[in-house]
Amino acid sequence: AQSVTQPDIHITVSEGASLELRCNYSYGATPYLFWYVQSPGQGLQLLLKYFSGDTLVQGIKGFEAEFKRSQSSFNLRKPSVHWSDAAEYFCAVGALGSNTGKLIFGQGTTLQVKP
Amino acid sequence: DSGVTQTPKHLITATGQRVTLRCSPRSGDLSVYWYQQSLDQGLQFLIQYYNGEERAKGNILERFSAQQFPDLHSELNLSSLELGDSALYFCASTQGIGGPYNEQFFGPGTRLTVL
Repeated sequence: AQSVTQPDIHITVSEGASLELRCNYSYGATPYLFWYVQSPGQGLQLLLKYFSGDTLVQGIKGFEAEFKRSQSSFNLRKPSVHWSDAAEYFCAVGALGSNTGKLIFGQGTTLQVKP
Repeated sequence: DSGVTQTPKHLITATGQRVTLRCSPRSGDLSVYWYQQSLDQGLQFLIQYYNGEERAKGNILERFSAQQFPDLHSELNLSSLELGDSALYFCASTQGIGGPYNEQFFGPGTRLTVL
């Protein structure tokens, strides 16, 4: 079965420091991969997505992610974190054999930013 | 603001009761998705409708049902509520029939508390 694992439940970084959020997926074919952010009291917002091609994808708010097939990973990065980045981050994969848009989400990583 | 609206924002009810959650998709979007976010299960896909027809089903309990109306708004009906149904219920919409290429726009969610 498809699955997404985000090993870090909670991460704290200092403002201005770099950030990497980990995501590992289990999938039988080329995955469709997504990162979403959920700010307190808000719905999910798409940060970036990967379907094919260049393995380094750029997203909104200065985020990027790198697809590594050999490691089944799609880690999210940001060179310099801002206090407004504090939120919960979800990695997701498009369901196998699906043309329905069904997404399978990881458990999420809560990011805390220290001043 | 994603353009997806959900009502009510909060709902508190008792075990055994029935509630209806409402979702209005973005203007022009034909697909509506429902997700449940709970502490123990994380974010899970429940069901998708496209232009009034059920398109895909996930881990939706038999006590839950949904429909999409001719004006494209959708309702999620939860009956015989149990404590474990307490969760945040999200609605998302996309323009097309689905598939991972279509970005899903999420509403702010309805927080259901079952006492």
